[in-house]
Amino acid sequence: NAGVTQTPKFQVLKTGQSMTLQCAQDMNHNSMYWYRQDPGMGLRLIYYSASEGTTDKGEVPNGYNVSRLNKREFSLRLESAAPSQTSVYFCASSESRRSYVSYEQYFGPGTRLTVT
Amino acid sequence: AQSVTQLGSHVSVSEGALVLLRCNYSSSVPPYLFWYVQYPNQGLQLLLKYTSAATLVKGINGFEAEFKKSETSFHLTKPSAHMSDAAEYFCAFSDDKIIFGKGTRLHILP
Repeated sequence: NAGVTQTPKFQVLKTGQSMTLQCAQDMNHNSMYWYRQDPGMGLRLIYYSASEGTTDKGEVPNGYNVSRLNKREFSLRLESAAPSQTSVYFCASSESRRSYVSYEQYFGPGTRLTVT
Repeated sequence: AQSVTQLGSHVSVSEGALVLLRCNYSSSVPPYLFWYVQYPNQGLQLLLKYTSAATLVKGINGFEAEFKKSETSFHLTKPSAHMSDAAEYFCAFSDDKIIFGKGTRLHILP
């Protein structure tokens, strides 16, 4: 099993350009997540999908959109990139996302995005 | 509001010395708690998790953590540090959603 895969690994964009980050998992997990990681800020949740067909905003959703294409795939789109979106982006998945449930998350290797 | 606080953004220990990484949480309900490790240029991977079955939780690579409700803490320890333990460590808290601490970077001194 590959676990959680992300493409691309690296990307450089100019301000105003758009792009889509791809994520796929082969663990048959219901829930998927997008985080950004910035120095000293830990991980901040951008969007999540509790199950196929649903998506919800996380802590920092502005400037992003997501699509849960099917159970395996969850993409993150930047419509008009800004320098403040320079970050490392991680996709993760878990078995479920319900109240008081202890399922751990499995992370992809990340995408390093630079917006100039 | 729920929160997770990791004390110390950087911790340095000598090889062979005790590793202690501190994590405190704030919650009004019984939490689920996790420690994740991130090696350079990689994603996070689970070290261990607390799910109320036992207060002392053993994880991978010789790490363990003890849940102390009275202190609202879930500190991570390892008796003897190894150079390969150099990484960033994240404490995370989960009830309805998962909240990550800001991370502690562990440096191992030769």
